[in-house]
Amino acid sequence: QVQLQESGPGLVKPSETLSLTCTVSSGSISSHYWSWIRQPPGKGLEWIGYIYYSGSTNYNPSLESRVTMSIDTSKNQFSLRLTSVTAADTAMYYCAGWGGSTRPFDIWGQGTMVTVSS
Amino acid sequence: ERVMTQSPATLSVSPGERATLSCRASQSVGSDLAWYQQKPGQAPRLLIYGASTRATGVPARFSGSGSGTEFTLTISSLQSEDFAVYYCQQYNNWPPLTFGGGTKVEIK
Repeated sequence: QVQLQESGPGLVKPSETLSLTCTVSSGSISSHYWSWIRQPPGKGLEWIGYIYYSGSTNYNPSLESRVTMSIDTSKNQFSLRLTSVTAADTAMYYCAGWGGSTRPFDIWGQGTMVTVSS
Repeated sequence: ERVMTQSPATLSVSPGERATLSCRASQSVGSDLAWYQQKPGQAPRLLIYGASTRATGVPARFSGSGSGTEFTLTISSLQSEDFAVYYCQQYNNWPPLTFGGGTKVEIK
């Protein structure tokens, strides 16, 4: 059973860069398209983008100018960088695996809360 | 972008009763629609994909229906563990993948 674990700072200052890493364990990093999804406190879910093990990416157009995703297959990890953060970026950040149309987001990490504040 | 609208925002149901949740897409998404359940403090869990196919391990009391722009998630007899927030999500036209705003199912 593939498991995901997010890691990274819980507090980021405004205008700085948010950086998170997701570690894939008990499975192959080539098995899914790996996404980041966020959820502001008390609100709904927003897809940020995905990366495949080949390095190909696809981002939400609303965030594309600030988002970069990368993958390290040797470490079974993928990462998110979000630049120029504001308070609106405060959210629970989840990494999740997309297994295709028959396994949409069937794997989720537990999430990590990131607060943007000075 | 496909905008997904869920209704109602909150549904109050007694244990053992049926719950019917709706999801509407701004344009057709075919059958490329998933439903997720999220309990407090937890990540979402996949319930339904392809509009009507239950994911592995999902109890039979959960059923999905619909196609095009109108979708329904039905919980036939609510159990205590079913009180949660439910999200629909389309994967027909993307980026971006989009979610509905959620329906909270609470105890009446």
